[in-house]
Amino acid sequence: DAGVIQSPRHEVTEMGQEVTLRCKPISGHDYLFWYRQTMMRGLELLIYFNNNVPIDDSGMPEDRFSAKMPNASFSTLKIQPSEPRDSAVYFCASSLGTSGGAWFGPGTRLLVL
Amino acid sequence: GQQVMQIPQYQHVQEGEDFTTYCNSSTTLSNIQWYKQRPGGHPVFLIQLVKSGEVKKQKRLTFQFGEAKKNSSLHITATQTTDVGTYFCAGYSSASKIIFGSGTRLSIRP
Repeated sequence: DAGVIQSPRHEVTEMGQEVTLRCKPISGHDYLFWYRQTMMRGLELLIYFNNNVPIDDSGMPEDRFSAKMPNASFSTLKIQPSEPRDSAVYFCASSLGTSGGAWFGPGTRLLVL
Repeated sequence: GQQVMQIPQYQHVQEGEDFTTYCNSSTTLSNIQWYKQRPGGHPVFLIQLVKSGEVKKQKRLTFQFGEAKKNSSLHITATQTTDVGTYFCAGYSSASKIIFGSGTRLSIRP
């Protein structure tokens, strides 16, 4: 398996633009997580899905953020409109149940100007 | 809410010295996981501890889970330059919610 795949790897956009981050989890994994990492706030869990159903989105910072998982092999995290404070590395991770480790993707480095 | 505190925030050691990072949760955990993130990389899963008082070893790394299942530690014996990175603990609550610690950044003088 190729591991967790994220795209794009880098994104530079201007404030107010819509940003869509994509993730393909490891085949067979039933949990999918979206994280945001910054120097100031560390690694934050934004939302996670179990069997494509959002379980906990309490980490989503505000209504500008939304996430979907239309099927077991694809998820998106959308920011609309984007703001400079959204600049961060966004990681997607997947796992098989909660008793095993989470496999992280390479991340998307987002810069909002 | 549930919090997972990790100390120290930074550790700078001479190559060959030992290193320890500690993780403390405000609530009892169902299990705890440890991850390593190299500079510019993504977190990589190292190990999971489930049982009270559990101790696991991976070569020079020793992981412990406290008796009350609220704290954990990672100890590296005789550090090497390949150990450089940030080490995170991640605690699972009974509600299956995972909380990452703030991480300990390890740097090493050759």
